[in-house]
Amino acid sequence: EVQLVESGGGLVQPGGSLRLSCAASGFTLSRNWMSWVRQAPGKGLEWVANIKEDGSEKYYVDSVKGRFTISRDNAKNSLYLQMNSLRAEDTAVYYCAKEGDCSSPNCYFDYWGQGTLVTVSS
Amino acid sequence: EIVLTQSPATLSLSPGERATLSCGASQSVSNYLAWYQQKPGQAPRLLIYDASNRATGIPARFSGSGSGTDFTLTISSLEPEDFAVYYCQQRKAFGQGTKVEIK
Repeated sequence: EVQLVESGGGLVQPGGSLRLSCAASGFTLSRNWMSWVRQAPGKGLEWVANIKEDGSEKYYVDSVKGRFTISRDNAKNSLYLQMNSLRAEDTAVYYCAKEGDCSSPNCYFDYWGQGTLVTVSS
Repeated sequence: EIVLTQSPATLSLSPGERATLSCGASQSVSNYLAWYQQKPGQAPRLLIYDASNRATGIPARFSGSGSGTDFTLTISSLEPEDFAVYYCQQRKAFGQGTKVEIK
């Protein structure tokens, strides 16, 4: 059974940093692109970043470029999101999502974690 | 950058009725479109990928159709557990969602 379990969320002041983690099990992490998708309170879904199977390619939504860094450790079955210079508008539930077995990234997201809440407030 | 527009924003129906949800793309996306269901406090769940393929474990009452710029998610007969928000997705873009509520 595929499982994705996020951790690391919490309350942080504007300008602060957080590192989110996603522990993967039930599949071979090194075989899939992985994404982070977020959802602000009461709002829709927003794709944030993704990373290729071997970590050699990374892509970000414009609003987080230069502030967030996605990474992975396939040996530890883990995905990460380092978030720096956090802003109030980054407040959201952050989901780790496994991308489908496709020939290109962002095809679809077939498994999701339960999410971790990040609140940016003074 | 592709923009996805879902309609209607809210659909008020009774159990047993048929639900038809639409998703329009700002440019052709071939058949590369997915649909998700999200219930309050839960993560999204993949329903349909590549416009018309049901994901693992998804009941047959859910079906997807369309290609190019116009796509439809149909729920043939609503069950109580189907009342939720539905999102379409193409690559990095998500639609704004359609809420299916009990009439």
